[in-house]
Amino acid sequence: AQSVTQLGSHVSVSEGALVLLRCNYSSSVPPYLFWYVQYPNQGLQLLLKYTTGATLVKGINGFEAEFKKSETSFHLTKPSAHMSDAAEYFCAVSRTGTASKLTFGTGTRLQVTL
Amino acid sequence: EAGVVQSPRYKIIEKKQPVAFWCNPISGHNTLYWYLQNLGQGPELLIRYENEEAVDDSQLPKDRFSAERLKGVDSTLKIQPAELGDSAVYLCASSAGTEAFFGQGTRLTVV
Repeated sequence: AQSVTQLGSHVSVSEGALVLLRCNYSSSVPPYLFWYVQYPNQGLQLLLKYTTGATLVKGINGFEAEFKKSETSFHLTKPSAHMSDAAEYFCAVSRTGTASKLTFGTGTRLQVTL
Repeated sequence: EAGVVQSPRYKIIEKKQPVAFWCNPISGHNTLYWYLQNLGQGPELLIRYENEEAVDDSQLPKDRFSAERLKGVDSTLKIQPAELGDSAVYLCASSAGTEAFFGQGTRLTVV
């Protein structure tokens, strides 16, 4: 069985500040990990994913995430927040490297203030 | 290239009424998913199609929900009869490999 825990349902940062969204996973097999973003009234968009290889993964819009097996974590970061980053962010885990069998976390709403 | 198209965007119905959602996936995508997203929650898979075959429908409440994907392209998700607890966003996604592309969803309100 797989599961994802996202710590903090709401995160607020100032524009230009570091963004850190936390994700911990549980998986009985080597996991494949994803971060999706959902803007208001929009569908989900893939930010980045970890399948195999390099544990630091770079995605779109300046986001990156690091897979840490020892900590069972896949936290999402961005050095400098922009107002346009305000959205809902979902971490997801899969047993395969494809979109099949995705298990999503409950999401973290990011607010960016001036 | 057009993305995943869903209609309607919003639907309000009275409980016990039927409702249907339609999804047109990205051209060439063989895999199609229907997800349920409750308020404040992440999406949960209802059903996955590979072409016209439903290969994973273990989370679909079959007593009231049904889905079809005729000819392996468009798909329809139906609820009959709808209950108050079915109020949620229904997301459709399609995939040709490693990435799933999501539609904007249909927000259903059952009153």
